[in-house]
Amino acid sequence: AQSVSQHNHHVILSEAASLELGCNYSYGGTVNLFWYVQYPGQHLQLLLKYFSGDPLVKGIKGFEAEFIKSKFSFNLRKPSVQWSDTAEYFCAVNAGGSQGNLIFGKGTKLSVKP
Amino acid sequence: DGGITQSPKYLFRKEGQNVTLSCEQNLNHDAMYWYRQDPGQGLRLIYYSQIVNDFQKGDIAEGYSVSREKKESFPLTVTSAQKNPTAFYLCASSILLGSNTGELFFGEGSRLTVL
Repeated sequence: AQSVSQHNHHVILSEAASLELGCNYSYGGTVNLFWYVQYPGQHLQLLLKYFSGDPLVKGIKGFEAEFIKSKFSFNLRKPSVQWSDTAEYFCAVNAGGSQGNLIFGKGTKLSVKP
Repeated sequence: DGGITQSPKYLFRKEGQNVTLSCEQNLNHDAMYWYRQDPGQGLRLIYYSQIVNDFQKGDIAEGYSVSREKKESFPLTVTSAQKNPTAFYLCASSILLGSNTGELFFGEGSRLTVL
């Protein structure tokens, strides 16, 4: 069965620190990859997505993610976090040929100290 | 404004009662989904529907039921058979599955508490 693993349950950083959140998936074929963000009290929003082409994908608010096929990974990065980045981040995979639903990781809570 | 509307936002239920959560979308999306979100568990798929009058079970369908009588609407009923119904429920939609993009648009969620 397909699965998505997010390595960190809770990450605490100070403002201006660099961020990298790990995401690995288990599926050998073509995948579409997503990072969603859930700010406190708000609904899930798409942060960025990868379908094909350049494996380095840029999203909103200065976030980027790199798809490394050989490692089945899609890690999320940001060079310098802000207090407003405090949120929960979910990695998700849509495996090629599936019915269209996304498989989500368990989420990583990011707390940024001002 | 186009989007997904879930209601109610908060709901309390006594054990043994069924409850129905509403989800309406005006995005003209073909596919709709129900996920359950629990702390530390991420999002788990309950049911999804690709087309009107058709729906499929997800990973945790037991104790839930859905209907899709209209393209815009995908209500979820949490039945008394659901052993642990207290959770945050998220409805989502996406464009036609043929494109296989998988990008989901989410509602704001409904928090169900069973007393």
